[in-house]
Amino acid sequence: DAKTTQPPSMDCAEGRAANLPCNHSTISGNEYVYWYRQIHSQGPQYIIHGLKNNETNEMASLIITEDRKSSTLILPHATLRDTAVYYCIVRARVYNQGGKLIFGQGTELSVKP
Amino acid sequence: NAGVTQTPKFRVLKTGQSMTLLCAQDMNHEYMYWYRQDPGMGLRLIHYSVGEGTTAKGEVPDGYNVSRLKKQNFLLGLESAAPSQTSVYFCASSYQTDYTGELFFGEGSRLTVL
Repeated sequence: DAKTTQPPSMDCAEGRAANLPCNHSTISGNEYVYWYRQIHSQGPQYIIHGLKNNETNEMASLIITEDRKSSTLILPHATLRDTAVYYCIVRARVYNQGGKLIFGQGTELSVKP
Repeated sequence: NAGVTQTPKFRVLKTGQSMTLLCAQDMNHEYMYWYRQDPGMGLRLIHYSVGEGTTAKGEVPDGYNVSRLKKQNFLLGLESAAPSQTSVYFCASSYQTDYTGELFFGEGSRLTVL
């Protein structure tokens, strides 16, 4: 699975959009980009995933560059409850080998009033 | 609907003692996983299972054993605990046929080995 690079920390003002970048320059054609977040001391929570098209759900939007070497997770209107560590993970979807994910260090997002 | 439940939530052990962490899921998921998380670090996969009766090693399997005798349960055992195994342990589960990659995590089990 491709390695990802994320900034260790970011700040965002409450109510503004939070844009979290992720670099995955060695991504392969069959690898997906997944985002999870971990609010303090809790288990990680799935946010969104994508292959090459931009994706949006009720939590966030995922923008993947055309060459797929980087992506951005967008929280459109960040709230204090979005303060968490955000993990960008790249993996291939291979049948019957489990959905196991390899977590990196993530980005610690602090949403400030 | 409880989702993924881990027991116990907290435990203190002495070096050399043994213990078992239990993970139970009520979503009929095929896949289950055990991760550990150390301060300031991301999660590392210990062992995982793709179905009842099967297990496989993850990134950091040494010092741990697992069993999946029932589909809904995944046990993580420490035969002889060491201080290096002080950590927060997370269990997760996921579907087999749904390839969204969404893992459902438990709340964690905090283990201290003295």
